[in-house]
Amino acid sequence: AQSVSQHNHHVILSEAASLELGCNYSYGGTVNLFWYVQYPGQHLQLLLKYFSGDPLVKGIKGFEAEFIKSKFSFNLRKPSVQWSDTAEYFCAVRNSGGSNYKLTFGKGTLLTVNP
Amino acid sequence: EPEVTQTPSHQVTQMGQEVILRCVPISNHLYFYWYRQILGQKVEFLVSFYNNEISEKSEIFDDQFSVERPDGSNFTLKIRSTKLEDSAMYFCASSTGQPSGYTFGSGTRLTVV
Repeated sequence: AQSVSQHNHHVILSEAASLELGCNYSYGGTVNLFWYVQYPGQHLQLLLKYFSGDPLVKGIKGFEAEFIKSKFSFNLRKPSVQWSDTAEYFCAVRNSGGSNYKLTFGKGTLLTVNP
Repeated sequence: EPEVTQTPSHQVTQMGQEVILRCVPISNHLYFYWYRQILGQKVEFLVSFYNNEISEKSEIFDDQFSVERPDGSNFTLKIRSTKLEDSAMYFCASSTGQPSGYTFGSGTRLTVV
């Protein structure tokens, strides 16, 4: 069974600081990888996704993530965070060969950005 | 932009009561899902539904749970006899069958007292 680990439960940064959130997955086959964001009181929104090709993917709002297959990692980065980035961030994985597109989520990382 | 709509946004129910959580998926989507998130824990898969039947369910989705797509637009999750540990945020999602078409609703917060 696949699983996802997010190393940081709560990250607190000041505005303009750089961000890196860790995500590791365990699955022996080919995967699709996702980062979702959940702003306070809102639904899960897709930040970015990796299917194949260039392992460095760019998403919305200046976020990017790098897929490192040898490390089973898909870390999320942003060079300079803003107060509005305060939210919970979830890494998710899907078996790319599966038929029902079920996602397996990590526990999430709460990001607090102080102005 | 099309949305997945969930109602109600918050439901409080007494232990042992039946609840039905409602979802209206995006109209051209083919796959439907329920996920839940217990406070402070990760988002967990409950069930997927395709072609009018369950395609996969997790260990959480026991006999107390059922899903239905009664009229071609709504997608419901029923919990027959709620327990305290069913308190969670329940998310509906729908998909075209491609990961890029995976859209979540805003969730229903279920509180069992």
